[in-house]
Amino acid sequence: DQQVKQNSPSLSVQEGRISILNCDYTNSMFDYFLWYKKYPAEGPTFLISISSIKDKNEDGRFTVFLNKSAKHLSLHIVPSQPGDSAVYFCAASNSGGSNYKLTFGKGTLLTVNP
Amino acid sequence: ETGVTQSPTHLIKTRGQQVTLRCSSQSGHNTVSWYQQALGQGPQFIFQYYREEENGRGNFPPRFSGLQFPNYSSELNVNALELDDSALYLCASSLQGIDEKLFFGSGTQLSVL
Repeated sequence: DQQVKQNSPSLSVQEGRISILNCDYTNSMFDYFLWYKKYPAEGPTFLISISSIKDKNEDGRFTVFLNKSAKHLSLHIVPSQPGDSAVYFCAASNSGGSNYKLTFGKGTLLTVNP
Repeated sequence: ETGVTQSPTHLIKTRGQQVTLRCSSQSGHNTVSWYQQALGQGPQFIFQYYREEENGRGNFPPRFSGLQFPNYSSELNVNALELDDSALYLCASSLQGIDEKLFFGSGTQLSVL
């Protein structure tokens, strides 16, 4: 039972355009959401997060939107750059739990073409 | 500030053997979590250690065990290796009670033949 779903295994965009990566979740207890980026042969790197009390969080070129009623979040990258090419993981947690367990999606491979 | 370091980077074992993976947490972090990432999947939570005790466990059998040491470094031990244990094992550290962001190491790629 996948509680965090990233239904697009891959996404290809042109440099300078917007990249939109989507994520759906089923567990209504999740209240904190994160995006991680992973390059080959490296561990995942934290990108941006959002608490369920917000519907938007921005950090430079990266914006995460949260739609709690739809149990959906998205990551927008504007403008996309070739260095953004990586696998992006959506992750969620229940901050009321006793540990910081993250539940990850399967990831979306983003390719930004020059 | 030193990041999360894991050793070894690659390992090949045969079915039935035992393996120990090691992790040094990021400076100032007191919690270590271990994740398994199979090919084509996202990382899956194995367990977490805080103050040298297991503080939560995912859906993994008892042959997966761990330790955390007073300096917050950690070991993951897997007994009776199975072919399906072939995966990237990621260690992540965090500061319990302060921030839910996990900082990951580069992982240990385990191949079971």
